[in-house]
Amino acid sequence: GDSVTQMEGPVTLSEEAFLTINCTYTATGYPSLFWYVQYPGEGLQLLLKATKADDKGSNKGFEATYRKETTSFHLEKGSVQVSDSAVYFCALSDSDNFNKFYFGSGTKLNVKP
Amino acid sequence: NAGVTQTPKFQVLKTGQSMTLQCAQDMNHNSMYWYRQDPGMGLRLIYYSASEGTTDKGEVPNGYNVSRLNKREFSLRLESAAPSQTSVYFCASTRIANTGELFFGEGSRLTVL
Repeated sequence: GDSVTQMEGPVTLSEEAFLTINCTYTATGYPSLFWYVQYPGEGLQLLLKATKADDKGSNKGFEATYRKETTSFHLEKGSVQVSDSAVYFCALSDSDNFNKFYFGSGTKLNVKP
Repeated sequence: NAGVTQTPKFQVLKTGQSMTLQCAQDMNHNSMYWYRQDPGMGLRLIYYSASEGTTDKGEVPNGYNVSRLNKREFSLRLESAAPSQTSVYFCASTRIANTGELFFGEGSRLTVL
């Protein structure tokens, strides 16, 4: 079945450091891929998405490229801020049933001033 | 805008008790979902409702029932709570499932003793 694997956390960085959070997926067909972010005490919210191979999703300085050859969708940001501290979830939607979303286990990011 | 509203936010139950988690959205969304979030496991889909009047099982439906009362409301019922159902529960909705943009409530933390 479909699944998402993302790097274990927590990840601790200093402000202005470069961020990479790895995400790989297993899926039949051609899923859409997403990154969601969860701030403390809140529900998840969509950060960015890509719907086909080689698409790049971007938002708020974050980027991720849909790589079909490596089944990956790594999240990157060139310069993190303290306000980026949150839990980040990689997810995919089943191409046969878009109502079925599969989430990774989440990666907690702590950014220190 | 209220978005997705869940009640209650916190609940403690004894094994064998029953309860219902309520969810309502005011965005006129067609699809609604119930997820549970457990440490190290990300979010797992319990049940979803692709449209008013329909419900379907997700990954982990055992021990739960749902009702799509109308387009706005989607409730999750635990008939006989078990300690394994201790979790944080999230309701989510989307207008069109294949956009991937789920809107989440703030979560309901349930503890079963």
